[in-house]
Amino acid sequence: DGGITQSPKYLFRKEGQNVTLSCEQNLNHDAMYWYRQDPGQGLRLIYYSQIVNDFQKGDIAEGYSVSREKKESFPLTVTSAQKNPTAFYLCATVSPSGNYGYTFGSGTRLTVV
Amino acid sequence: GENVEQHPSTLSVQEGDSAVIKCTYSDSASNYFPWYKQELGKRPQLIIDIRSNVGEKKDQRIAVTLNKTAKHFSLHITETQPEDSAVYFCRNTGNQFYFGTGTSLTVIP
Repeated sequence: DGGITQSPKYLFRKEGQNVTLSCEQNLNHDAMYWYRQDPGQGLRLIYYSQIVNDFQKGDIAEGYSVSREKKESFPLTVTSAQKNPTAFYLCATVSPSGNYGYTFGSGTRLTVV
Repeated sequence: GENVEQHPSTLSVQEGDSAVIKCTYSDSASNYFPWYKQELGKRPQLIIDIRSNVGEKKDQRIAVTLNKTAKHFSLHITETQPEDSAVYFCRNTGNQFYFGTGTSLTVIP
């Protein structure tokens, strides 16, 4: 997975349930991002973290929460407050070498049942 | 935020023809312009990028051109093949990273 591992690949959530998506990287990158992708649509930024113990809201943060306790890990929790969570979720890191190149994880497909 | 506008949203071409996708940005601080290809159900993959001190970059059948004055950059795919069918995203850099809304390219055999 190019140094970024997302799990699980598929996730099913019941109404009113919180679920957590995992994103782990061994690239030693400081910056990590979470995006949501809906069918036929682009990538919308949920949260990002540029350094350990710090994170910022993106454009659609409502109903989501994150933590960044370790450099390698940036888990995303989809809370019951997110009313339409069915989507494809992508985690990414950004190279610190100056070219701002993204490396994406393979994604998690979340479905509400 | 600083948006990136991408056009067209869908594009169909005959195999062997060329395809052009354009992105317009507003952040003057942008200095790096990558293009990503996303096949169905998979993650986006970087296919080509260009820096602000270069006007054009080519890699086999794909090329990217940059017009800093007009604030737009374009992806060009020549001699298209069915395996080029995918969704393509542009992205800007600057104070924030924003992706374009994507272009669904279909190459008709």
